[in-house]
Amino acid sequence: AQRVTQPEKLLSVFKGAPVELKCNYSYSGSPELFWYVQYSRQRLQLLLRHISRESIKGFTADLNKGETSFHLKKPFAQEEDSAMYYCALSRAGAQKLVFGQGTRLTINP
Amino acid sequence: EAQVTQNPRYLITVTGKKLTVTCSQNMNHEYMSWYRQDPGLGLRQIYYSMNVEVTDKGDVPEGYKVSRKEKRNFPLILESPSPNQTSLYFCASIPVEGTEAFFGQGTRLTVV
Repeated sequence: AQRVTQPEKLLSVFKGAPVELKCNYSYSGSPELFWYVQYSRQRLQLLLRHISRESIKGFTADLNKGETSFHLKKPFAQEEDSAMYYCALSRAGAQKLVFGQGTRLTINP
Repeated sequence: EAQVTQNPRYLITVTGKKLTVTCSQNMNHEYMSWYRQDPGLGLRQIYYSMNVEVTDKGDVPEGYKVSRKEKRNFPLILESPSPNQTSLYFCASIPVEGTEAFFGQGTRLTVV
C-alpha cells in the first residue's frame, strides 16, 4: 500500500538555524513526490515537487529512492517559514495524492 | 483570478440533516478531488473526478456522495451527517495528470 510518513508532528527551531522536515514513503512504483505548505489562515499550496528539482523560498528536497525519503531542507530558517507542511505522493497523477500526517513548523525569533 | 472556491466556509449542523458543500473552479481543469483534514491524520481523499460524469472513491468515501454534472463544479454531499464527519474539508482541482493541485480555502464542518 502507498503510504507517506512524516515522523514529526511538531518541529520548533530558532531563526537562522537549519531546518529539516522528514518524509518517508512506501510505494512499489515510480513515485512523484511533493511538498505542500499551509500558512496560517491560508489555503494549502504547492511548495515544490521532486521532478522540477528547484529551490522555492530557500527550501530544497531531494528524492532518495534507496532510503525512500524526500526530506525538506532549508539552511537558514526565517520566521515566515512557520506553517504546516505536508509531504505528498502521487500514485497515478495528482488527482490521487496521498498525504502524510503533516509537520507543524514553528520558527522562534 | 484563477481559483477554487468552496462554500460555505463554516457550517454547524445536526446529525442526520442532509447538507451539500459546493466547490467551483474557473481554470477549466479536468480533475477535481475532495479531502478531509483531521489532526494527526493529515489529508485523506474522499472522492475524485477525472471529468464530467466520471467519479471514483478515494480512501475514505463512506458517508459521502459527489456529482460532476459540469466541469467547473464538484459538490460534496452528506446525506445523513454524523459527528465523526466533523472535520475540515478541502476541494482541489488539477489541470493534468501529475501536476500541481490547487486547493480551495477549506470548509470547517461541525456535526452535533
